Amino acid sequence: EAQVTQNPRYLITVTGKKLTVTCSQNMNHEYMSWYRQDPGLGLRQIYYSMNVEVTDKGDVPEGYKVSRKEKRNFPLILESPSPNQTSLYFCASRLSGTAYEQYFGPGTRLTVT
Amino acid sequence: AQKVTQAQTEISVVEKEDVTLDCVYETRDTTYYLFWYKQPPSGELVFLIRRNSFDEQNEISGRYSWNFQKSTSSFNFTITASQVVDSAVYFCALSEALNFGNEKLTFGTGTRLTIIP
Repeated sequence: EAQVTQNPRYLITVTGKKLTVTCSQNMNHEYMSWYRQDPGLGLRQIYYSMNVEVTDKGDVPEGYKVSRKEKRNFPLILESPSPNQTSLYFCASRLSGTAYEQYFGPGTRLTVT
Repeated sequence: AQKVTQAQTEISVVEKEDVTLDCVYETRDTTYYLFWYKQPPSGELVFLIRRNSFDEQNEISGRYSWNFQKSTSSFNFTITASQVVDSAVYFCALSEALNFGNEKLTFGTGTRLTIIP
């Protein structure tokens, strides 16, 4: 089954404790992206990757890091999480080209206390 | 810069009524793509439709229909004979063909639709 998976689905952590949210897709998509969803703000892009070893900042990259060492994986790293990073996070992937729809993972709900 | 506006934050209708969700977009590009996604209470994002800027034909899929009008920069979504299962947050989104490297999807803030049984 074609899908994007994220782990963990739920995470409660404390300020400053480094964490990684994994994202993996099995569709051989070149493009992958991370979004955060906050009430009243819709989804905002954090980072994106056009292909392996090619990543760049989206609209709200502060406090996050990413890497793309393999085509299928695109982890999101919070090196020192803060309460303002409490949010619902989505990973997405698609084929190269803006005409294609993005496939989204199930979401990771992160709470930073 | 690209922008999507969904002015309706929340809408409630009684089951079987028709309801239209509005979406207005801004773009400098002549080639772009518009999308609608559904986010049911379970939280996942479900792709509903894609429309490119050169195709202004309206589209109907069962009880769903979409009205794309370039003259007003709108891409509205109508649900006919609404059902409780239509209760969700609906997002309109835009991507430009030429946005200098970041092929991102810009989302509106979403409309929460509640269908009252």
